[in-house]
Amino acid sequence: DVKVTQSSRYLVKRTGEKVFLECVQDMDHENMFWYRQDPGLGLRLIYFSYDVKMKEKGDIPEGYSVSREKKERFSLILESASTNQTSMYLCASSAAGTGKKETQYFGPGTRLLVL
Amino acid sequence: SQQGEEDPQALSIQEGENATMNCSYKTSINNLQWYRQNSGRGLVHLILIRSNEREKHSGRLRVTLDTSKKSSSLLITASRAADTASYFCATDASGANSKLTFGKGITLSVRP
Repeated sequence: DVKVTQSSRYLVKRTGEKVFLECVQDMDHENMFWYRQDPGLGLRLIYFSYDVKMKEKGDIPEGYSVSREKKERFSLILESASTNQTSMYLCASSAAGTGKKETQYFGPGTRLLVL
Repeated sequence: SQQGEEDPQALSIQEGENATMNCSYKTSINNLQWYRQNSGRGLVHLILIRSNEREKHSGRLRVTLDTSKKSSSLLITASRAADTASYFCATDASGANSKLTFGKGITLSVRP
């Protein structure tokens, strides 16, 4: 079974702090994704990566950056956390296949509260 | 912007009844997927239907796709209390470098 793990289930940070959210997958997937989920807004894509050291902006990249130094690990960085970044953060991975990204496998999520 | 729009936003049914959820989208797609999310957890993939398919079954799940109407429906038959969750449709748009775009979700409550 594919396993996607996220470093924390719950996180409380102060405004202005630098925050690292880590995601690790164990299925050798090429593709990895970071979403945030807010009530009434569904899932919105922040950043994604199709390969090591490669990253692409999603729909809402402002205020975030990412790092993918190893294939299995995709980190989301909040350079200076703000209260409007309080949210549920979901990481996902998928296998590459003929250029199509199909089923995504999700981690359990990190609920971040910025005070 | 959201590609998939689910309908209804919330659904409450009795155990044993069927639950039907709908999804509409705007642009052409490679495939459409349905995911489930239990409260406070990550999403779990349920079923994928490709643009050249019209219907697909998996256990108690039946999904249909009408590309002319740009819509899909997910039917859960003989629902159980354990089916209580949020359900999302996600579209994989045509073209290179595609990614999944999720709708806002449907909250399904199955009363015992």
